[in-house]
Amino acid sequence: ETGVTQSPTHLIKTRGQQVTLRCSSQSGHNTVSWYQQALGQGPQFIFQYYREEENGRGNFPPRFSGLQFPNYSSELNVNALELDDSALYLCASSYRTGTGTYEQYFGPGTRLTVT
Amino acid sequence: AQSVSQHNHHVILSEAASLELGCNYSYGGTVNLFWYVQYPGQHLQLLLKYFSGDPLVKGIKGFEAEFIKSKFSFNLRKPSVQWSDTAEYFCAVNRAGNNRKLIWGLGTSLAVNP
Repeated sequence: ETGVTQSPTHLIKTRGQQVTLRCSSQSGHNTVSWYQQALGQGPQFIFQYYREEENGRGNFPPRFSGLQFPNYSSELNVNALELDDSALYLCASSYRTGTGTYEQYFGPGTRLTVT
Repeated sequence: AQSVSQHNHHVILSEAASLELGCNYSYGGTVNLFWYVQYPGQHLQLLLKYFSGDPLVKGIKGFEAEFIKSKFSFNLRKPSVQWSDTAEYFCAVNRAGNNRKLIWGLGTSLAVNP
């Protein structure tokens, strides 16, 4: 167990709806990254939050948005859901070590199905 | 653009066989390299990582990987696999000193027959 938790575990939504996924980072970690993992694929970087500000974004449209809260937990919001948004959404928290390196620790993911 | 290529998509081995999973990346600068494992029904776990120093790194559960800079490779090895090693294995890369996006390979599904 990494200490990174995500909710909900599974979710079924209809095309056009909006969804909010939640992530609690591991204690002491001030950075949260979100990834989308489609079936049979590796994770794709969506964006990262550091101290409540977006700190990098992958090739995802603006309908994917996020927030990070003062306690470093985070939300991923997806508007106007499309069928292709069906995937496992992973949250990873990380921190900067004394040697200046980073490791990302992953939560169990939220399985989103869009019908 | 950075990319990661994993050569084997599906591997089937018998217990006690040796394992080598290939990983190549495309990026000209200094990189951090990772292997993650995803056991059935579980979350991604870090197997091992390379930041700098000795190019032969050892991870958990008897796994090791060798960074060969001239070949842009970071292959994963284990001398003798067990049934419990059945899982999905992912190679990932990011720029050294950069905590931002990890670039991932497509993964290798390993099945170990008892």
